[in-house]
Amino acid sequence: DIQMTQSPSSLSASVGDRVTITCQASQDINYYLNWYQQKPGKAPKLLIYDASKLETGVPSRFGGSGSGTDFTFTISSLQPEDIATYYCQHYDNLPTYLFGPGTKVDVK
Amino acid sequence: QVQLVESGGGVVQPGLSLRLSCAASGFTFTTYAMHWVRQAPGKGLEWVAVIWYDGSYKYYADSVKGRFTISRDTSKNTLYLQMNSLRAEDTAVYYCARGRGYTYAKIDYWGQGTLVTVSS
Repeated sequence: DIQMTQSPSSLSASVGDRVTITCQASQDINYYLNWYQQKPGKAPKLLIYDASKLETGVPSRFGGSGSGTDFTFTISSLQPEDIATYYCQHYDNLPTYLFGPGTKVDVK
Repeated sequence: QVQLVESGGGVVQPGLSLRLSCAASGFTFTTYAMHWVRQAPGKGLEWVAVIWYDGSYKYYADSVKGRFTISRDTSKNTLYLQMNSLRAEDTAVYYCARGRGYTYAKIDYWGQGTLVTVSS
């Protein structure tokens, strides 16, 4: 079975900082990866799909890259409203829908 | 606008059953797959089940296979999750969500969630 890991598990950064989260798959998953944001007490929100495509309406400071086993999620300039937990999600045609363990982002 | 409203959560004893509902509006229900995703208190997201747009295929997480059943009623634009033989580890907020794209994996709209607590 494919395993998904995320690092770091949590981070604290200042407003305006560039934030990077990595998601690693235990085997090649092509570009079959999405990223979600979940603010405290709220439902998740789709930000990035197919590893690098920005969902409609999502601010351009959010971005994604990678393929195969290593993926990166970036916030180019952290804003106070970006306090949330971010999850990667692998999918395939079995179908599999597998979420990573999440990365909690705080603002210093 | 797309709205998904879950209901049916509550406190239930281990071994008993519960049925969750999700009322969908603001989109053509019959053209989207629908998911249930859960989140145990203080934990991450766990996918539970998906039903294809036409109800032709249903898939489950191993943790609920044989105990949970996903279904949809297109006449009522409603998604269901029948949960039997409930266990303490099923305690979670259950989200109803819409899926699109390849294997309907892009989960683009979510409900607010309904809390299920399994406890004696």
